[in-house]
Amino acid sequence: GESVGLHLPTLSVQEGDNSIINCAYSNSASDYFIWYKQESGKGPQFIIDIRSNMDKRQGQRVTVLLNKTVKHLSLQIAATQPGDSAVYFCAETSNKLSFGAGTTVTVRA
Amino acid sequence: DVKVTQSSRYLVKRTGEKVFLECVQDMDHENMFWYRQDPGLGLRLIYFSYDVKMKEKGDIPEGYSVSREKKERFSLILESASTNQTSMYLCASSFASYYGYTFGSGTRLTVV
Repeated sequence: GESVGLHLPTLSVQEGDNSIINCAYSNSASDYFIWYKQESGKGPQFIIDIRSNMDKRQGQRVTVLLNKTVKHLSLQIAATQPGDSAVYFCAETSNKLSFGAGTTVTVRA
Repeated sequence: DVKVTQSSRYLVKRTGEKVFLECVQDMDHENMFWYRQDPGLGLRLIYFSYDVKMKEKGDIPEGYSVSREKKERFSLILESASTNQTSMYLCASSFASYYGYTFGSGTRLTVV
């Protein structure tokens, strides 16, 4: 069956360093991938997405990389800030959205 | 901004009670979804709806039902609450089946 997993449940990052959050998926038919950020007490918020015909997409301080060969997705956050502390979810879909378990990112001052 | 509003942030209910969780969106979205969120399990889809009076089971529908009498409102019903339904419940709406999701802030339900 389908599964979406993040490699690490927690990540601690020094402020100013770059963060890399990884995600593996199993459904080779997935054609659309999304990263969400969930801050404490809030619902998940869209960060960035990527379609399967791309291998890289950049936003403001964030980059998503997609490796379809090994079914791997990553989110890179440049110059991590305290406001980046949150739970990050990857999601994939071929016909409905499936979410991974989430990685909790903690930014150290 | 799209707003998805969940009526309660925190709820405490007794085992066996019938519980209603309400969700309202203001962007005329066709699609609405109910998820539950548990530590280590991520978001799991309970039910979703693509139109008024339509509903589809998600991955974990057991113990739940839904109602969508109006386009903007999607209710999740726990027919007889049990302690294993203690969780964070998230409502979302979207203009496509998997694109452009907007989530509410969640309802943390505790069943005692």
